[in-house]
Amino acid sequence: SQQGEEDPQALSIQEGENATMNCSYKTSINNLQWYRQNSGRGLVHLILIRSNEREKHSGRLRVTLDTSKKSSSLLITASRAADTASYFCATSLMDSSYKLIFGSGTRLLVRP
Amino acid sequence: GAVVSQHPSRVICKSGTSVKIECRSLDFQATTMFWYRQFPKQSLMLMATSNEGSKATYEQGVEKDKFLINHASLTLSTLTVTSAHPEDSSFYICSARRHGDEAFFGQGTRLTVV
Repeated sequence: SQQGEEDPQALSIQEGENATMNCSYKTSINNLQWYRQNSGRGLVHLILIRSNEREKHSGRLRVTLDTSKKSSSLLITASRAADTASYFCATSLMDSSYKLIFGSGTRLLVRP
Repeated sequence: GAVVSQHPSRVICKSGTSVKIECRSLDFQATTMFWYRQFPKQSLMLMATSNEGSKATYEQGVEKDKFLINHASLTLSTLTVTSAHPEDSSFYICSARRHGDEAFFGQGTRLTVV
């Protein structure tokens, strides 16, 4: 089952521009995580934000979380061609299962 | 970070045969492992939760007899796709949970059934 949706489904930007991806989810969560996946490969963990946090930074990444709206955003600043990948949010449900439920993903293309 | 190794990375098998995929946590003990399936250009869909020493918990719509999961030790879980058919061709990814919130993912296995 998928927890929620991401938008946009696809995003094409010029190198140097910022990229913003949004994630919405349905149920209460312990935390929300963002992952990156290059085509046909495994997942790379980017950042984790807990339900009691509102914003978190890591290098060129900025993540926000609004639990009242059940939404999160991932901002990549000063994008590079190497940032081209699919980005997924994943929510850790507020139960004892520790399941991670993934969003639908955003395919980002950064044009050189 | 912790390392999760998945093997094989690619496998091609004939329709009707079974394929086993291994997921190992190399430097930590994982009480819980998860198996996901990903079709091309789609998201990861959770198939089942694997707990060491007990039966796996399958998500709705996932056939237990088709996808056999064994979590025999704290560092190894296996997924066996039985009587594979072309529609089972997919990317299978495992993850392992250490203490704490973060899950660590294997590199994935691309299964092609011909």
